[in-house]
Amino acid sequence: QKEVEQNSGPLSVPEGAIASLNCTYSDRVSQSFFWYRQYSGKSPELIMSIYSNGDKEDGRFTAQLNKASQYVSLLIRDSQPSDSATYLCAVRGGGGSNYKLTFGKGTLLTVNP
Amino acid sequence: DVKVTQSSRYLVKRTGEKVFLECVQDMDHENMFWYRQDPGLGLRLIYFSYDVKMKEKGDIPEGYSVSREKKERFSLILESASTNQTSMYLCASSLSGEVGYTFGSGTRLTVV
Repeated sequence: QKEVEQNSGPLSVPEGAIASLNCTYSDRVSQSFFWYRQYSGKSPELIMSIYSNGDKEDGRFTAQLNKASQYVSLLIRDSQPSDSATYLCAVRGGGGSNYKLTFGKGTLLTVNP
Repeated sequence: DVKVTQSSRYLVKRTGEKVFLECVQDMDHENMFWYRQDPGLGLRLIYFSYDVKMKEKGDIPEGYSVSREKKERFSLILESASTNQTSMYLCASSLSGEVGYTFGSGTRLTVV
């Protein structure tokens, strides 16, 4: 059973701080990695994707991937109250059924003004 | 932008009813998915389809079936609704396995 693990939180940070969200996965041949943001009562929204080891930056968001450690993270710089949401890590495995993503249960982030 | 439309935002159905949840995407995506989301359990895959008339079971297919007669439409069917199927149902689509999904706005189903 392929698994994606996230700290459930809640993670609470002050406005302007860096929020760090972590995710580990069990399938060593996983190919693609995604971060989704989900506001309460809304559907998940894709915010970052990363495919190779290292860092990928997009505005205030940085995704980091370490395939050897089977670890992916999301950093949010200069956190804003509008960043308060649940963040879902998703992983696409290798092999035949590579259409589908496996999701972690999410980390609830609260940014305090 | 890709749009994934779910026909109902809220539904209330009675136990034993046959329930149809409809999902339509407008960007010619090959792959479509149905998930349910429950507190503490996260997103769980029910069924997915990678082509017209093709379907594969996900992790929790029991009590559900699907239909994909046209590329843009993927329907989830609850054959005989039960109270344990009360949940948020999310449809998603993707162009290929390389990219992430686009989700619809979800259908909150309550079975009474």
